[in-house]
Amino acid sequence: GENVEQHPSTLSVQEGDSAVIKCTYSDSASNYFPWYKQELGKRPQLIIDIRSNVGEKKDQRIAVTLNKTAKHFSLHITETQPEDSAVYFCAAKNNDMRFGAGTRLTVKP
Amino acid sequence: EAGVVQSPRYKIIEKKQPVAFWCNPISGHNTLYWYLQNLGQGPELLIRYENEEAVDDSQLPKDRFSAERLKGVDSTLKIQPAELGDSAVYLCASSLHGTDTQYFGPGTRLTVL
Repeated sequence: GENVEQHPSTLSVQEGDSAVIKCTYSDSASNYFPWYKQELGKRPQLIIDIRSNVGEKKDQRIAVTLNKTAKHFSLHITETQPEDSAVYFCAAKNNDMRFGAGTRLTVKP
Repeated sequence: EAGVVQSPRYKIIEKKQPVAFWCNPISGHNTLYWYLQNLGQGPELLIRYENEEAVDDSQLPKDRFSAERLKGVDSTLKIQPAELGDSAVYLCASSLHGTDTQYFGPGTRLTVL
């Protein structure tokens, strides 16, 4: 089955800096890769996703890149703000969704 | 549009007691998922429904866990009897049939004492 690894597990940046979170997956048939943001005690919320026929997608300060050959994808957040502080999960989907273990991002004001 | 609704939000029980969680998906979403989220981990799929049919329950511990979605809308996840290791957040999610995007509920945080 699919195995998704995510790193780093924690990330601390200064406000205004960029943050990058990386994930690798094992199932070459996976074709959908979402990123979720989860604030403490709240539901995971989709922030951006990408499909296997696209290499990069951007939405304002957030971008995701996908390298199918290497089976890895990354989340890029630019001009970070304190409200970006949360746990971020990557996932990969073939038949079912498999999630990474999460990255706790802290943005220091 | 209302999101996925779950209740209760919190539940504290003693081990060996039964417990049930309820989920109401987004209106029109045929596909419903139950996930388990342990502290500091990502969600792990327990069971997936397409309408009222459980199409993937391979990760559901069937000795103590059961689920149902009788009319293809609301769903209930039950644990009987609960064990200490069942303490976790139980998340429900839904999606439109044939689409990939899953929308999560707020979860039920279960504590087993």
